[in-house]
Amino acid sequence: EDKVVQSPLSLVVHEGDTVTLNCSYEVTNFRSLLWYKQEKKAPTFLFMLTSSGIEKKSGRLSSILDKKELSSILNITATQTGDSAIYLCAATFSGNTPLVFGKGTRLSVIA
Amino acid sequence: EPEVTQTPSHQVTQMGQEVILRCVPISNHLYFYWYRQILGQKVEFLVSFYNNEISEKSEIFDDQFSVERPDGSNFTLKIRSTKLEDSAMYFCASKLGETQYFGPGTRLLVL
Repeated sequence: EDKVVQSPLSLVVHEGDTVTLNCSYEVTNFRSLLWYKQEKKAPTFLFMLTSSGIEKKSGRLSSILDKKELSSILNITATQTGDSAIYLCAATFSGNTPLVFGKGTRLSVIA
Repeated sequence: EPEVTQTPSHQVTQMGQEVILRCVPISNHLYFYWYRQILGQKVEFLVSFYNNEISEKSEIFDDQFSVERPDGSNFTLKIRSTKLEDSAMYFCASKLGETQYFGPGTRLLVL
């Protein structure tokens, strides 16, 4: 059975801290890994990673995939209260198959 | 920026009633999905749809569920006879290329 595991499940940090969120996967015929941010409702897309070792960056957020370790990390530097959300990791495999989600990491950034 | 829209945002229904959840995917997207998220649990795949037919469905998507693309824009999920355990947030997603974009969700409460 395909599986995506995220850690930690929850995290509380102070504004300005740097955080690293982890995602590991066991997915047959892995194709890509996606990170989403979920605040009140819909997951909003952050990154899609297909190639190992290539960092994707968007402002204070960055992510990288390690296909050898079957894992990915999402880094957030200089955290702000607006970064408080659930961060979801999802894997997809060959073809146009659905996303397999992890349980998410609930990040709380306090002032 | 184009986005996936869903209506209604909230729906309360009595057990045994039929509900129809509506989605308007991003206009040039070709693949459509329904996911659900029971409160406190992870996002789970229900069904994918391409070229006017179901391409994949999960074990959750039993005979009580159906999907339709009645016209060129709407994509609907029907639950024929709702059960208490159908209470969840239902997300529609659409895809062009590799990335799935999610709608804001419909929160369904079955009493």
